[in-house]
Amino acid sequence: DAMVIQNPRYQVTQFGKPVTLSCSQTLNHNVMYWYQQKSSQAPKLLFHYYDKDFNNEADTPDNFQSRRPNTSFCFLDIRSPGLGDAAMYLCATSILDRTYEQYFGPGTRLTVT
Amino acid sequence: AQSVAQPEDQVNVAEGNPLTVKCTYSVSGNPYLFWYVQYPNRGLQFLLKYITGDNLVKGSYGFEAEFNKSQTSFHLKKPSALVSDSALYFCAVRDTNAGKSTFGDGTTLTVKP
Repeated sequence: DAMVIQNPRYQVTQFGKPVTLSCSQTLNHNVMYWYQQKSSQAPKLLFHYYDKDFNNEADTPDNFQSRRPNTSFCFLDIRSPGLGDAAMYLCATSILDRTYEQYFGPGTRLTVT
Repeated sequence: AQSVAQPEDQVNVAEGNPLTVKCTYSVSGNPYLFWYVQYPNRGLQFLLKYITGDNLVKGSYGFEAEFNKSQTSFHLKKPSALVSDSALYFCAVRDTNAGKSTFGDGTTLTVKP
């Protein structure tokens, strides 16, 4: 089945130790999103790609970076995780059409010790 | 600017009873409206959407939603709730001119046997 895959599902990192979360998709969608979700709150958009065109949200901390080497893969890099970065990170995809829904991966739960 | 409100943090219903999860929105153009469901430790899953046309939209798992332009609402409904419907529900809106969706804060639905 076509899907959005996130690895790992659970990630533990130390305060200040860089960490990378990965997302892959078999849907061939040209838009990919990264969201941060804390404690069953609304997902907060960090950034998104239209193909390779990167769009950063104004309030996304510089500590968060992203890479999209090809259509299928997208990475979230947290350069120096703080305790406040502990959250669920959700990857989603969509086609480039405002009427189209998003397909979400299962998420990666990040713990910072 | 676009915004969405889910006025109830929690909705409790008995199994077999009808359920309603409320959503109101604000957009400057025409709205594209979506409902997603999230089960514990999972990503969001698309349920249904309103783009244009019939105000009553039918979606997955027996859910439906009614678009009401005069009341700027898009309430999620189901005629007969199941215990397995217990989850976190998010309403999202996208303006015709917007590059991204805005999510509500979510409503936790609990269906008791």
